[in-house]
Amino acid sequence: GAVVSQHPSRVICKSGTSVKIECRSLDFQATTMFWYRQFPKQSLMLMATSNEGSKATYEQGVEKDKFLINHASLTLSTLTVTSAHPEDSSFYICSAIYGQGYDTQYFGPGTRLTVL
Amino acid sequence: ILNVEQSPQSLHVQEGDSTNFTCSFPSSNFYALHWYRWETAKSPEALFVMTLNGDEKKKGRISATLNTKEGYSYLYIKGSQPEDSATYLCAFINGDDKIIFGKGTRLHILP
Repeated sequence: GAVVSQHPSRVICKSGTSVKIECRSLDFQATTMFWYRQFPKQSLMLMATSNEGSKATYEQGVEKDKFLINHASLTLSTLTVTSAHPEDSSFYICSAIYGQGYDTQYFGPGTRLTVL
Repeated sequence: ILNVEQSPQSLHVQEGDSTNFTCSFPSSNFYALHWYRWETAKSPEALFVMTLNGDEKKKGRISATLNTKEGYSYLYIKGSQPEDSATYLCAFINGDDKIIFGKGTRLHILP
């Protein structure tokens, strides 16, 4: 149980285009979903926390107009990288929790974004 | 600045040997400490959620301890097996809902 899928697993796009990444909890309803980014040899950096039906809470330094997060249902959150640039190339990974508080996170497999 | 350090960064262990590694975190405003195992090309998998000072948790051959007063947690693996090869991540969560991951310890089990 507690499976999270993420799509696509890999995407290559041209500079200036927008890319949408989907995160789905397949067998549970996620009260909260998290979006992380990881640069090579760095730790997972939390970008934003999203709760179903409400606006995402962004971490300091993360542009909310650049990284649009939509959490339309208890099983789906999307991250859209708008007007992507080469510096946005990174590994993006989502996680979901159910229940209250900061319990176990269930992670998706991640998305490798390359912006040319 | 909240900092979470994991050491060592990388570790090679002979199959059958036991090993341990460390996660250091701020000793104030503690809420929880999580351990995850991340195998290549898979999703990180939760190992332990630790909340109380002195906590000891065990899952099979893997166990973890927690010292919130001095800000560290140890992960132990007894009798390492090839399937233990992975990156082990710790995540510190504080009372302000900040989640900070360490860079991980990359464990290689040598046959």
